Amino acid sequence: GQQVMQIPQYQHVQEGEDFTTYCNSSTTLSNIQWYKQRPGGHPVFLIQLVKSGEVKKQKRLTFQFGEAKKNSSLHITATQTTDVGTYFCAGPGETSYDKVIFGPGTSLSVIP
Amino acid sequence: DTEVTQTPKHLVMGMTNKKSLKCEQHMGHRAMYWYKQKAKKPPELMFVYSYEKLSINESVPSRFSPECPNSSLLNLHLHALQPEDSALYLCASSQYRGGNSPLHFGNGTRLTVT
Repeated sequence: GQQVMQIPQYQHVQEGEDFTTYCNSSTTLSNIQWYKQRPGGHPVFLIQLVKSGEVKKQKRLTFQFGEAKKNSSLHITATQTTDVGTYFCAGPGETSYDKVIFGPGTSLSVIP
Repeated sequence: DTEVTQTPKHLVMGMTNKKSLKCEQHMGHRAMYWYKQKAKKPPELMFVYSYEKLSINESVPSRFSPECPNSSLLNLHLHALQPEDSALYLCASSQYRGGNSPLHFGNGTRLTVT
């Protein structure tokens, strides 16, 4: 069945260091979405990537969609304490287009 | 702030109780979802409503019963739950049906079953 994987599971960084999380799907995706969930909060949509090789930036965050549309990455430059949370990638279900399937997430801790 | 409103924020119920979770959105979105999230886990899809019709039930036990009275409202009726059903229940909506449309989540209802 379809699997969406993310690495690493946890990442602890010193404030100001960079951070990257990687997302891999067992199937080709029509699009990939990224969400951030703060501790005690709910997932918040960050961005959607649709095109092969697409790169999008949001201030210190850079999102990339792989050429084969099976992998994606999120890179944060010069982390801040406000970046703390769990970052999930998500994509459409293989068997049913109505589904949005979430990866297991990467939990980011930032040490001040 | 979220444009998807969920009530209540917290709920404690016994295994013999009947309760309902409510969700409301006024963004004109045509798809609405219920997700269940356990601690340190990703959201797990339970139900999808598309144009007010149930389109996906992810083999959820019948003690969870969804209802979509209109395009803005989504309910989740709970009956005879088990302690392992304790979790954060998230409602979400998307502009269109299908996995191409970003999800907007509510704040969630934190449910404890005693």
